[in-house]
Amino acid sequence: GESVGLHLPTLSVQEGDNSIINCAYSNSASDYFIWYKQESGKGPQFIIDIRSNMDKRQGQRVTVLLNKTVKHLSLQIAATQPGDSAVYFCADSYSGTYKYIFGTGTRLKVLA
Amino acid sequence: EAGVTQSPTHLIKTRGQQATLRCSPISGHTSVYWYQQALGLGLQFLLWYDEGEERNRGNFPPRFSGRQFPNYSSELNVNALELEDSALYLCASSLESTGTYEQYFGPGTRLTVT
Repeated sequence: GESVGLHLPTLSVQEGDNSIINCAYSNSASDYFIWYKQESGKGPQFIIDIRSNMDKRQGQRVTVLLNKTVKHLSLQIAATQPGDSAVYFCADSYSGTYKYIFGTGTRLKVLA
Repeated sequence: EAGVTQSPTHLIKTRGQQATLRCSPISGHTSVYWYQQALGLGLQFLLWYDEGEERNRGNFPPRFSGRQFPNYSSELNVNALELEDSALYLCASSLESTGTYEQYFGPGTRLTVT
């Protein structure tokens, strides 16, 4: 596959540790937020979403936290595994504009 | 259930030519989105189609255009290709058009302009 985001910020985590990936958004009216994972040579894959009436949502090994006051979103991955190595994007949308805005992405490297 | 499919996988064109990229959404999805992902950059929103109509477009020149067919598949056309158009073009579909549902992405078409 080909590389995605050669110059992206990189987070290196030891296998088994927890990972925290952060994202800032700019539109205070955004009411829906998504995290995607993109592996090399593939399209983005949905991980978890959260609506603006919530501040935390948990999935399998993943938790998304939303702080609307400071317009910040984070993705927590528990017990990080080698298969978690990828580029992670956040996206936000406002239902009135019918458009998703994607962050630039963070590359997660899992060290054995 | 088949996912979002895109064709071709790779496309090589020369400057000034036209490129046509195709996308088939997940069955039952009426909304199709197009994004450009240049190397080292995030996803840049291009176009959003729903029920055959263009609903929104990103900050791209008019030479980027597209359409959605009655079967909800979509085409992206890029005219007068420039070198900086080289990128991965991703198509996504979603069940609803409200902007509050997850998008499912295809594998992308890698366009190279020489």
